[in-house]
Amino acid sequence: DAKTTQPPSMDCAEGRAANLPCNHSTISGNEYVYWYRQIHSQGPQYIIHGLKNNETNEMASLIITEDRKSSTLILPHATLRDTAVYYCIVRVSYSGGGADGLTFGKGTHLIIQP
Amino acid sequence: DAGVIQSPRHEVTEMGQEVTLRCKPISGHDYLFWYRQTMMRGLELLIYFNNNVPIDDSGMPEDRFSAKMPNASFSTLKIQPSEPRDSAVYFCASSLRGGRDTEAFFGQGTRLTVV
Repeated sequence: DAKTTQPPSMDCAEGRAANLPCNHSTISGNEYVYWYRQIHSQGPQYIIHGLKNNETNEMASLIITEDRKSSTLILPHATLRDTAVYYCIVRVSYSGGGADGLTFGKGTHLIIQP
Repeated sequence: DAGVIQSPRHEVTEMGQEVTLRCKPISGHDYLFWYRQTMMRGLELLIYFNNNVPIDDSGMPEDRFSAKMPNASFSTLKIQPSEPRDSAVYFCASSLRGGRDTEAFFGQGTRLTVV
């Protein structure tokens, strides 16, 4: 399984862009990069995913480097409600044609400061 | 859609008792996952189902744990007998497909405390 490395914690001022880095240097060519977040006492919430191109949705943007060895999740205008643990996950390969669950690391605890 | 629904939200039980956690996945989703979260080990996958059939239960800690999915709209995770080290938050998730480009939707979790 491809491993990911994230800083354990980050601070960001409210209203500013929050840029969360993730290293995944052993990623395979057909593995996707996923981002989830977990707000305190809630279940993980899907944010965005991508393969090689940059992606954007209503929640965030995902920038993947050309060599795919790292990525950055961008929350363009962070609010206090964005305080959460953010998980960068490389989706493991199929096994026997089925699916595998998500392998969560320790993530980055993002704290939005007022 | 109401999302993935888990019950109960909180469960406190005595050691040795049987505990049953319940999950209703999002309608139409073919995959259902059970996860456990503790401070020490983080989020761990326990088992997952495809079309109600258990596919991979290698994450189930021991024989005291069992999971069933009798139909597409209901799954249970049972612990018998329960032990204090089973105390954790248990999450259920479902996804439309199992592929690598599919998002999973999580329930709010069941916080289990075994005393």
